[in-house]
Amino acid sequence: AQSVTQPDIHITVSEGASLELRCNYSYGATPYLFWYVQSPGQGLQLLLKYFSGDTLVQGIKGFEAEFKRSQSSFNLRKPSVHWSDAAEYFCAVEVLTFGTGTRLTIIP
Amino acid sequence: SAVISQKPSRDICQRGTSLTIQCQVDSQVTMMFWYRQQPGQSLTLIATANQGSEATYESGFVIDKFPISRPNLTFSTLTVSNMSPEDSSIYLCSVPSPSSGAYNEQFFGPGTRLTVL
Repeated sequence: AQSVTQPDIHITVSEGASLELRCNYSYGATPYLFWYVQSPGQGLQLLLKYFSGDTLVQGIKGFEAEFKRSQSSFNLRKPSVHWSDAAEYFCAVEVLTFGTGTRLTIIP
Repeated sequence: SAVISQKPSRDICQRGTSLTIQCQVDSQVTMMFWYRQQPGQSLTLIATANQGSEATYESGFVIDKFPISRPNLTFSTLTVSNMSPEDSSIYLCSVPSPSSGAYNEQFFGPGTRLTVL
């Protein structure tokens, strides 16, 4: 069965610092992988997706993610976070299976 | 993209009552999904609603508890029946990207925050 693990429940980062959110998946083949963001009181918005090809994918709002088959990982990164990035981030595999989420807090 | 609205945005209900949540999409879609997001947890798929057929429920969810209607290609309802405090959650509907087929990125509604007393 497919599954997604986000090891970090809560991360706090200073504004302007770099960010990496971890995601590990379990799937029998190369999966479709997604990162979504959920701002307070909002629905989920797609940040980026990986289907095939280049393992480094660019998304909206300055986010990128790298697919590493050998590590079964799809970590999300941003070089410099902004206060508006404070939200809940969800990794998903094959569309319908979501990780437990990582809550990102930004401090001044 | 697709624009999705949900009603109500939030509600507080008494134990034993039922609440029907509406989901409206601004384009015609074959599939609509209903999720539950319990406090501090991830999204769990409740069911897939196809127009013109019975909804397909995931393990742990049954039609008697979560009846779904799908009268046309832009609308669906989810009813949470005989509610208990354990049903307190955010309920979200979503649709696949219209441009890329059934299983692709999804567009989500803003969610319905349900509190059961």
